Amino acid sequence: EAGVAQSPRYKIIEKRQSVAFWCNPISGHATLYWYQQILGQGPKLLIQFQNNGVVDDSQLPKDRFSAERLKGVDSTLKIQPAKLEDSAVYLCASSLPGGNTEAFFGQGTRLTVV
Amino acid sequence: AQSVTQPDINITVSEGASLELRCNYSYGATPYLFWYVQSPGQGLQLLLKYFSGDTLVQGIKGFEAEFKRSQSSFNLRKPSVHWSDAAEYFCAVGLLDSNYQLIWGAGTKLIIKP
Repeated sequence: EAGVAQSPRYKIIEKRQSVAFWCNPISGHATLYWYQQILGQGPKLLIQFQNNGVVDDSQLPKDRFSAERLKGVDSTLKIQPAKLEDSAVYLCASSLPGGNTEAFFGQGTRLTVV
Repeated sequence: AQSVTQPDINITVSEGASLELRCNYSYGATPYLFWYVQSPGQGLQLLLKYFSGDTLVQGIKGFEAEFKRSQSSFNLRKPSVHWSDAAEYFCAVGLLDSNYQLIWGAGTKLIIKP
């Protein structure tokens, strides 16, 4: 079974530039998550999708971050413009619906903003 | 507010020694509980989970965890660690009344002495 695919693995950009991350979840997983993991901290949920609808985006900085999941499969997360404090690993995860199911994580995209 | 505390930032144990990683949570109801492991450059992998029933749960790689409702704890244990267990370990709590959103601890880095 293929896992959660993310690209790129690494990205270095200058502040005020824009960047986009891509995620392809496990086939059949209706729930998709984007997390931000700052060095030394646990993951922080940015946005949760159920199919192509947003379930929770309360912690997404909407002035600069956006995410979409067209057709309820792949998803993209965009940052525009980036700030130094956005340097982090961005993790995508997917799961079957419901709380008693395992979330499977991709390897993440390490973003460095200089 | 809901929170997860992992009081130990780093733990060093000798190979072959026993291990206990602590996790305490703050939540008004019995949550879903998870332990994930993150090896360098890898995504998060589920070790074990608790939803209901037997409070002692077995996971992969020889790990187990015990849910203690009275102490709001879900400590992770392993009787004998191997060098390959060196990684970062995250405790997470799933909120039943918030779309099963996961709240994460800050992680405990496990260092194995040869």
